[in-house]
Amino acid sequence: GNSVTQMEGPVTLSEEAFLTINCTYTATGYPSLFWYVQYPGEGLQLLLKATKADDKGSNKGFEATYRKETTSFHLEKGSVQVSDSAVYFCALSGYGGATNKLIFGTGTLLAVQP
Amino acid sequence: EPEVTQTPSHQVTQMGQEVILRCVPISNHLYFYWYRQILGQKVEFLVSFYNNEISEKSEIFDDQFSVERPDGSNFTLKIRSTKLEDSAMYFCASVFPKTQETQYFGPGTRLLVL
Repeated sequence: GNSVTQMEGPVTLSEEAFLTINCTYTATGYPSLFWYVQYPGEGLQLLLKATKADDKGSNKGFEATYRKETTSFHLEKGSVQVSDSAVYFCALSGYGGATNKLIFGTGTLLAVQP
Repeated sequence: EPEVTQTPSHQVTQMGQEVILRCVPISNHLYFYWYRQILGQKVEFLVSFYNNEISEKSEIFDDQFSVERPDGSNFTLKIRSTKLEDSAMYFCASVFPKTQETQYFGPGTRLLVL
């Protein structure tokens, strides 16, 4: 079945460091891919998405490219800030189901220190 | 910006009691979802709802669970007889239309079953 694998956290970085959070997926067909972010005490917010191979999603300085050949959708940011501290979830749409349910990875906690 | 709201934010209940979790999706959205996140685990799909009926449900969504859209604005999740293992954060999400795929999440209800 469809699944998402994310790198284990927590990831601890200093401010202005480069961020990569790895995400790989297993899916039949061509799912859409998403990164959601959960700030402390809040719900899930869509950070970025890509709907087809080689698409790059970007938002707030974060980027991820849909790589079909490596079945990956790694999240990157060139210079993280303390305010980026949150849990990041990679997800894919439930391709083939009756509805586009989301299938999530385990989440990666990012802690950015000043 | 419109947002999905959920009430209550926290609920504590005794095992065997019924609970109703409430959600108000974004007003022009057509598809509605419930997900849950057991502490430290991944976000899991429970059920999707469209046109006043369940369109898909997971194996987690057994006979103890039900969903309803009682009045055209609220979307509820009922757990008839709670178990300890139902303790989790429950998220509601909505999307319009289906093909856009971007699900908007509420802030969640943290349910604790004692």
